[in-house]
Amino acid sequence: DTEVTQTPKHLVMGMTNKKSLKCEQHMGHRAMYWYKQKAKKPPELMFVYSYEKLSINESVPSRFSPECPNSSLLNLHLHALQPEDSALYLCASSQDGPGLTYGYTFGSGTRLTVV
Amino acid sequence: DQQVKQNSPSLSVQEGRISILNCDYTNSMFDYFLWYKKYPAEGPTFLISISSIKDKNEDGRFTVFLNKSAKHLSLHIVPSQPGDSAVYFCAARTNTGTASKLTFGTGTRLQVTL
Repeated sequence: DTEVTQTPKHLVMGMTNKKSLKCEQHMGHRAMYWYKQKAKKPPELMFVYSYEKLSINESVPSRFSPECPNSSLLNLHLHALQPEDSALYLCASSQDGPGLTYGYTFGSGTRLTVV
Repeated sequence: DQQVKQNSPSLSVQEGRISILNCDYTNSMFDYFLWYKKYPAEGPTFLISISSIKDKNEDGRFTVFLNKSAKHLSLHIVPSQPGDSAVYFCAARTNTGTASKLTFGTGTRLQVTL
């Protein structure tokens, strides 16, 4: 299995809703990432988990709450989002060793719309 | 502060010809550079990487060149095919020891015409 699976593929939520994005990989990768991509912009890093511990938080607002229940799963809990949070949310994983021959593996993303 | 830049937002190349995509960076601490291909509403697909201690890496039709003194890298696609039409992102890795992260460039839209 060489994939990162993200669910759901599309999500529409109101500003008072609570929802979660899910990400799963079975490649034995020990680092997992959340990126956010707005239209016509590059992906921007939000969070990094290394060995199930939060290692990097790129000053993301607290309405985004990441969780890594185990080495294969990564969640992003959403609460009280704003319309400007509408974007494509990408999950990725990597071996995170010194070499990077195969890059980071990205999921196909969740298209989030906040209304 | 855009640490990774792709100064050409778009590029059009005829099928069969060479496509050259360029990328510049400012951070000397990047240890790996990668190229990704992306279609709308999909995740980036990894193409090729190069360590900062190398100056060339080749994989099939894709070759990446790194010029550390100029802080510049390029992706060559030969021959270009219509299926190569997509947005290409250059990315650079920072490794802090406890974690690593990729910083993406602004992207170049490649169109391969018949």
